[in-house]
Amino acid sequence: GAVVSQHPSWVICKSGTSVKIECRSLDFQATTMFWYRQFPKQSLMLMATSNEGSKATYEQGVEKDKFLINHASLTLSTLTVTSAHPEDSSFYICSAIAGGTGANVLTFGAGSRLTVL
Amino acid sequence: GDSVTQMEGPVTLSEEACLTINCTYTATGYPSLFWYVQYPGEGLQLLLKATKADDKGSNKGFEATYRKETTSFHLEKGSVQVSDSAVYFCAYSNTGNQFYFGTGTSLTVIP
Repeated sequence: GAVVSQHPSWVICKSGTSVKIECRSLDFQATTMFWYRQFPKQSLMLMATSNEGSKATYEQGVEKDKFLINHASLTLSTLTVTSAHPEDSSFYICSAIAGGTGANVLTFGAGSRLTVL
Repeated sequence: GDSVTQMEGPVTLSEEACLTINCTYTATGYPSLFWYVQYPGEGLQLLLKATKADDKGSNKGFEATYRKETTSFHLEKGSVQVSDSAVYFCAYSNTGNQFYFGTGTSLTVIP
């Protein structure tokens, strides 16, 4: 089945640095990928929709200059958390749409845990 | 507008107990319905899906039936195991390009 790979799975960084998270569709092409943020014991919060070859669409309240999204190819989208601060510490999850039998299915990466010191 | 409402947790059950997690949706048209599961420290995995009314999705002993008349897609399992402890998310997609998720229901199964 469709597989989405996310890297790194866990990153710890100092406050003020930037961190890049990669999301790859391994065996299918994904024109659209989604980035979510999840706080402990809470639901998913959609941050943005990443479209290959065009600018990402950000949800209300998400700072596009803070969370840079690049979808340069049909198999790779990246999320860069710029000038990270402790409040950016969270679990970031990407997903991509894979065509399934009878319906499109959203396939998720395993998530990337960001800890900002 | 479109939305998904699922039973709030947390839910704690003894091993081999029956599980039902309620999910209802508000949507126009004929959406596809999904249940995703998130094990601790991991991303979400598709558990099962149904694409039209009266379809039953099933996987790993879990079942959910697409009930258009009640706009529901309740998740059920007859006998839960400790390994089923996870957070379960109900979701639907109307267009194939947008997915709406419930808030998640945490399940803990104790031996």
